Amino acid sequence: GQSLEQPSEVTAVEGAIVQINCTYQTSGFYGLSWYQQHDGGAPTFLSYNALDGLEETGRFSSFLSRSDSYGYLLLQELQMKDSASYFCAVRDMDSNYQLIWGAGTKLIIKP
Amino acid sequence: DGGITQSPKYLFRKEGQNVTLSCEQNLNHDAMYWYRQDPGQGLRLIYYSQIVNDFQKGDIAEGYSVSREKKESFPLTVTSAQKNPTAFYLCASRAGKGGHTEAFFGQGTRLTVV
Repeated sequence: GQSLEQPSEVTAVEGAIVQINCTYQTSGFYGLSWYQQHDGGAPTFLSYNALDGLEETGRFSSFLSRSDSYGYLLLQELQMKDSASYFCAVRDMDSNYQLIWGAGTKLIIKP
Repeated sequence: DGGITQSPKYLFRKEGQNVTLSCEQNLNHDAMYWYRQDPGQGLRLIYYSQIVNDFQKGDIAEGYSVSREKKESFPLTVTSAQKNPTAFYLCASRAGKGGHTEAFFGQGTRLTVV
């Protein structure tokens, strides 16, 4: 079957660095996306990895290892506004290129 | 400004009643999606459409129906057959059908059965 695993909750301190891991099992992996969702709001796109390696966008970076079926989202210089849920999602060729979603990681940031 | 609009933001449904959630986009996107999100959960796909007048069932289509008569519009009807409809419903769209393009989401409709 298809599944994604990510921690349910992560706590970090303002100004620190945090890593949110995602492992996946899908039959037709095409790429790994990360989305951010604040409470009661809409998910917004953060990053996408199709090839192995690190993609950097400002304070956020995303990493993919296809051989390990593993990726992570790295958030640096944490700010209180980064408190949100973060979802990894795999685009699956065998499901008409639909997104298969993880359950989300709630990031709690303490002052 | 281009975007995707869902309405209403909050909706209350009585037992046995059908309700329709609106989703409109002016991004000229081909593909549109409906997801259901329950507290502390990821997004589960209800229906999707990649072209006008065509749509496909997702993982949890039972008790729901959709139409795609115009490219801009993809309304979702929650029927009385859906036994547990209380949830947060998100509509999304993206350009293209295959490959990767970013998905854009509406602000969601929170449906509650009373």
